[in-house]
Amino acid sequence: EVQVVESGGDLLQPGGSLRLSCAGSGFTFSTYWMHWVRQVPGKGLVWISRINGDGSITTYADSVRGRFTISRDNAKNTVYLQMDSLRAEDTAVYYCVKSPVSGNCFDSWGQGTLVTVSS
Amino acid sequence: DIVMTQSPDSLAVSLGERATINCKSSQSVLKSSNSRNYLAWYQQKSGQPPKLLIYWASNRESGVPDRFSGSGSGTDFTLTISSLQTEDVAVYYCQQYYSTPLTFGGGTKVEIK
Repeated sequence: EVQVVESGGDLLQPGGSLRLSCAGSGFTFSTYWMHWVRQVPGKGLVWISRINGDGSITTYADSVRGRFTISRDNAKNTVYLQMDSLRAEDTAVYYCVKSPVSGNCFDSWGQGTLVTVSS
Repeated sequence: DIVMTQSPDSLAVSLGERATINCKSSQSVLKSSNSRNYLAWYQQKSGQPPKLLIYWASNRESGVPDRFSGSGSGTDFTLTISSLQTEDVAVYYCQQYYSTPLTFGGGTKVEIK
């Protein structure tokens, strides 16, 4: 069974840093693009970053470029999101998401991890 | 950026009746090289992560009931629930994966009338 499980969400102050982790299982991890999508509770879905199978290609939304860094360790079947210079508007549930082999839609979602940025 | 606009924002449908959700993209998501529409639909129930229903605009994901169908091409797309069931109460989102940033519609809340 394909699973992705996020961890690392926390409450922190503006300007702080946090690293989210996402462990994948049940699939050949290094084959697939992985993404982070966030959702403010009660609001819509926003894609923020992706990384290809071998980690050589990364893409970011404008809202996080230069502050967030996506990476992966295929030996550990884990993708990371390093979040720096956090702002109140980064408060959201962060989902780790897997794409299918073809096309960057999202076929497997984690349960999400909550990041709260507040003074 | 490709802007995805869904309509309506919400709708209430009687059990067993048809529900139709529209999604319009600000530019075409049809790739001429492979004739594929880079458009997906998701269902999000309260307190749960989204679930993929439809990809390539009209392909149903494995395990998704056949009362869910997707149609459209280019810039205009539709998700149809042919006979609404209680378990279909959710928010539905469209998403384009033609180009980055990958973008979602604002969501359509479906309720029982």
